[in-house]
Amino acid sequence: TQTVSQSDAHVTVFEGDSVELRCNYSYGGSIYLSWYIQHHGHGLQFLLKYYSGNPVVQGVNGFEAEFSKSDSSFHLRKASVHWSDSAVYFCAVKEYSGGSNYKLTFGKGTLLTVTP
Amino acid sequence: NAGVIQTPRHKVTGKGQEATLWCEPISGHSAVFWYRQTIVQGLEFLTYFRNQAPIDDSGMPKERFSAQMPNQSHSTLKIQSTQPQDSAVYLCASSLDSSQNTLYFGAGTRLSVL
Repeated sequence: TQTVSQSDAHVTVFEGDSVELRCNYSYGGSIYLSWYIQHHGHGLQFLLKYYSGNPVVQGVNGFEAEFSKSDSSFHLRKASVHWSDSAVYFCAVKEYSGGSNYKLTFGKGTLLTVTP
Repeated sequence: NAGVIQTPRHKVTGKGQEATLWCEPISGHSAVFWYRQTIVQGLEFLTYFRNQAPIDDSGMPKERFSAQMPNQSHSTLKIQSTQPQDSAVYLCASSLDSSQNTLYFGAGTRLSVL
């Protein structure tokens, strides 16, 4: 069983600041990690993913994440946040259940509040 | 492409009543997932269909919960004899089911059991 841990429940930054949202995972086989964003009252939207190759992956709206096997981490970063980035961010790990069947297991989420 | 459509957006039931939640996946997507979201537990996997066949229901409570996918255009999650602890947002997601796929989520159904 793979698990994912997001150590920060709530992060508050000012508009224009940089931010890093942390995600650590337990390793149990093939790695497939992703980040999703959820604005209040909406479903989750895909931001970015890593499964192989360059450990730094770029996503939408200026987000990027870096995979580290040694640290078992997949932290999300943005150089300059906007108030519209305020949302809950979920890290997810793909867990295979036999053959090509799978499910995504999500962390508890980190609420990012961007103050004007 | 309207995305994943979930109806109703909000449902209020009395304790002991039945609730049926609907999900219309994105056309052409072969995998459909159901998740439950609460403040305390976060996002919990419930069940997964692939090409309409139930693949993994390991997250479904053994009693009162059932899910079906009678055709490729919709899936239902039924909760019999609803209890207050069933109150949650139920999210449906679909994916193309390729090896490096992405889940597309609906806006969810907020179920309130009084």
